[in-house]
Amino acid sequence: AQKVTQAQTEISVVEKEDVTLDCVYETRDTTYYLFWYKQPPSGELVFLIRRNSFDEQNEISGRYSWNFQKSTSSFNFTITASQVVDSAVYFCALSEANAGGTSYGKLTFGQGTILTVHP
Amino acid sequence: DAGITQSPRYKITETGRQVTLMCHQTWSHSYMFWYRQDLGHGLRLIYYSAAADITDKGEVPDGYVVSRSKTENFPLTLESATRSQTSVYFCASRPAGGGGSSYNEQFFGPGTRLTVL
Repeated sequence: AQKVTQAQTEISVVEKEDVTLDCVYETRDTTYYLFWYKQPPSGELVFLIRRNSFDEQNEISGRYSWNFQKSTSSFNFTITASQVVDSAVYFCALSEANAGGTSYGKLTFGQGTILTVHP
Repeated sequence: DAGITQSPRYKITETGRQVTLMCHQTWSHSYMFWYRQDLGHGLRLIYYSAAADITDKGEVPDGYVVSRSKTENFPLTLESATRSQTSVYFCASRPAGGGGSSYNEQFFGPGTRLTVL
């Protein structure tokens, strides 16, 4: 069975600090997809990134960066120079894929990390 | 408007009542999903559908019923609501097949906050 663990329930930082959100996953699949979603106080889910299991390149998008390490089954998310607008709940999620590399897309979510950025 | 919508956005009901949460998407996506969000559990899959008239159970299906007579609609029914079903419910959809930037990305509705008294 698939499992995603976000051990950090809540993180509190002061604006401009860097913060890393941890995500550890378990799966028996050799092909899978990893995601990060942001849920701001307004409640909607905002897609941030998708990474497939064959692509271990780290990715940077503005102040956001992601570190994918298959060896440790981790997909950590770092926000550089955090801002108050980054305050949200962040979810890491895992999706299965069949042998053809496609996926029904069922997502297994972690418990979420509540990030609060203070001015 | 294009996108995925859920109705109602807020609902209060009583134990034992039947409640239906609606989900509508305008993209003609093949796959649709229902998740519930509870503190400490993240989002958990209730039911999903690969196409019209094809549905299957997710992680927490007990107490819920779904149907999908049309591609664009995926209603979720609580046949006899219980307090444990108080939650925020999210509907999502995604296109079938591979390729493209949206491959495997799920698009989520705004959520329905359900309270069962």
